[in-house]
Amino acid sequence: QSALTQPASVSGSPGQSVTISCSGTSSDVGHDNSVSWFQQQPGKAPKLMIYGVSHRPSGVSDRFSGSKSGNTASLTISGLQDEDEAHYYCSSYTIRTTSILFGGGTKLTVL
Amino acid sequence: QVQLVQSGAEVGKPGASVTVSCKASGYTFIDYYIHWVRQAPGQGLEWLGWINPNSGGTNYAQKFQFWVTMTRDTTINTVYMDVSRLKSDDSAVYYCARGDLVAPGAIRHYYMDVWGKGTTVTVAS
Repeated sequence: QSALTQPASVSGSPGQSVTISCSGTSSDVGHDNSVSWFQQQPGKAPKLMIYGVSHRPSGVSDRFSGSKSGNTASLTISGLQDEDEAHYYCSSYTIRTTSILFGGGTKLTVL
Repeated sequence: QVQLVQSGAEVGKPGASVTVSCKASGYTFIDYYIHWVRQAPGQGLEWLGWINPNSGGTNYAQKFQFWVTMTRDTTINTVYMDVSRLKSDDSAVYYCARGDLVAPGAIRHYYMDVWGKGTTVTVAS
């Protein structure tokens, strides 16, 4: 069981928006702005999509956005495209063990 | 360009050790943390720890603190991760990833922005 909770799967049609949640506690997600989101295509290394809750690295499409409310962070993908189909993972620093936690991952299917 | 190049696939016997290397290029090696993350077949991501290439200081996940060792060689811009006392469930793809800037007093976001392609470690007798 992962320390951060994500839905196992989400889906959406091309052009739609989807939101993936990442639930933690006041010791991790709710503590500071250390939430990151990663996209992983099959057989590839993860790719950083969002860091610091809502910051996009250079080169990441502005269709990807991040937010946080309390102990739950969210990744929203707008204008879904076929290429967005992948697994998505959230991560957060935790002050409880001074380590980094990952969510269990969410498989996004573009219908 | 910023790049992390990892060593090739390893096969280790139960109880033995394996070492995976990660060579950095395209940036100042000692300026950024390096994380190690693993992924068992069909499973999610699991964080093992980080190393500060400048000081050599490390921070391991509690689960791994007694059987994972991270070191660095600043002369060749390379970080190493040694996994000892191998068990079958250590079979996984091991990734290195670049983290935050090493800067005293700086706010850390604990991100991982550049990843190696991964090294497959297979534990088999």
